[in-house]
Amino acid sequence: DSGVTQTPKHLITATGQRVTLRCSPRSGDLSVYWYQQSLDQGLQFLIQYYNGEERAKGNILERFSAQQFPDLHSELNLSSLELGDSALYFCASSVLDRGNTEAFFGQGTRLTVV
Amino acid sequence: GNSVTQMEGPVTLSEEAFLTINCTYTATGYPSLFWYVQYPGEGLQLLLKATKADDKGSNKGFEATYRKETTSFHLEKGSVQVSDSAVYFCALSLTRGKLIFGQGTELSVKP
Repeated sequence: DSGVTQTPKHLITATGQRVTLRCSPRSGDLSVYWYQQSLDQGLQFLIQYYNGEERAKGNILERFSAQQFPDLHSELNLSSLELGDSALYFCASSVLDRGNTEAFFGQGTRLTVV
Repeated sequence: GNSVTQMEGPVTLSEEAFLTINCTYTATGYPSLFWYVQYPGEGLQLLLKATKADDKGSNKGFEATYRKETTSFHLEKGSVQVSDSAVYFCALSLTRGKLIFGQGTELSVKP
């Protein structure tokens, strides 16, 4: 158990809909990262928050947004969903936001868009 | 840009065989390097890391050495077990802790 909790574990929704994925980081970790894992793109970095502030952005679509709340949990919002958004979405957390810091991953949310 | 390239899988080995999974990287600056492992149905777990040139990371019998001259971080294990069957990801991190992953290498170990 990494200490990072993601909910829900599975999500099935229709095209055009909006969903929210939730992540609770390990106790004490200030940094939260979101990644998307798909068969064609592999593991791609989406976005990072540190202590409530956005710190880095990767290949995140404009239809996607995220935030980190004062209690440090984070939510990833995906809207106007398309079939191609079906993927495994991982959240990771770390104490700091430095390059040599170990990140701990949650078990992921599997999103299926039908 | 920054990127990681891993050898393609799947790799199939017999128990107690020697394992090498090749990983090379391209990076501007001096990255930290990581190997993560993903068991079926689970998230990624850190296997080992190295933060500067010539560092050797090791864990659970796995080793990898940060080679700046060849921009490589190959994963090795002397004797694999069935329980090592998983997908292995090489990754680099430069700033802010965000990880850039290779495409992953699936390892299957047969008894």
